[in-house]
Amino acid sequence: QKEVEQDPGPLSVPEGAIVSLNCTYSNSAFQYFMWYRQYSRKGPELLMYTYSSGNKEDGRFTAQVDKSSKYISLFIRDSQPSDSATYLCAMSSMNSGYSTLTFGKGTMLLVSP
Amino acid sequence: DAGITQSPRHKVTETGTPVTLRCHQTENHRYMYWYRQDPGHGLRLIHYSYGVKDTDKGEVSDGYSVSRSKTEDFLLTLESATSSQTSVYFCAISGGSGANVLTFGAGSRLTVL
Repeated sequence: QKEVEQDPGPLSVPEGAIVSLNCTYSNSAFQYFMWYRQYSRKGPELLMYTYSSGNKEDGRFTAQVDKSSKYISLFIRDSQPSDSATYLCAMSSMNSGYSTLTFGKGTMLLVSP
Repeated sequence: DAGITQSPRHKVTETGTPVTLRCHQTENHRYMYWYRQDPGHGLRLIHYSYGVKDTDKGEVSDGYSVSRSKTEDFLLTLESATSSQTSVYFCAISGGSGANVLTFGAGSRLTVL
């Protein structure tokens, strides 16, 4: 079993839709949970991160972590064509000085006008 | 890209030739990383550095070596390139504390013929 599982998509939605992107993981030591967005032929860029369980909101984006289920989500409200990108989840444990992030493989999102 | 420069951005080379990719940062971050990104595999860690002359292997280090003689520079070398090393290579940096959030460069696209 991979440490982090993420559906590769593509996920196609119309403009204005609510998008739900998800990852599951197996390592209970993960404490930090991140979402990166990667446009075509660009490097990944951090969208947001959360520590432990709970929700975090930033504009149209909401990150949700359920540690009991080992499940994280990213919700995008009022999706826009400019949101079309690949979204990668990533996780790390608390002793992050020497530990490294574990990434999901990414979900490609296509938002059509 | 937040003070990270990768060079070259594109390179085509032949099997058996040596290749060096350079990552330069102006953020004075302690940690630097080399990842490769391939369809179906996502981001995979090749090597990372936690200080000048301090490096360690990631999950796909075979065929790669690294060096870090200065805080700002992290070099990735393919001693004898193979077609399986055709990929997009990303450098990343982090401060190492807390969530250990990574900031990525723009990527170097390498094609080995």
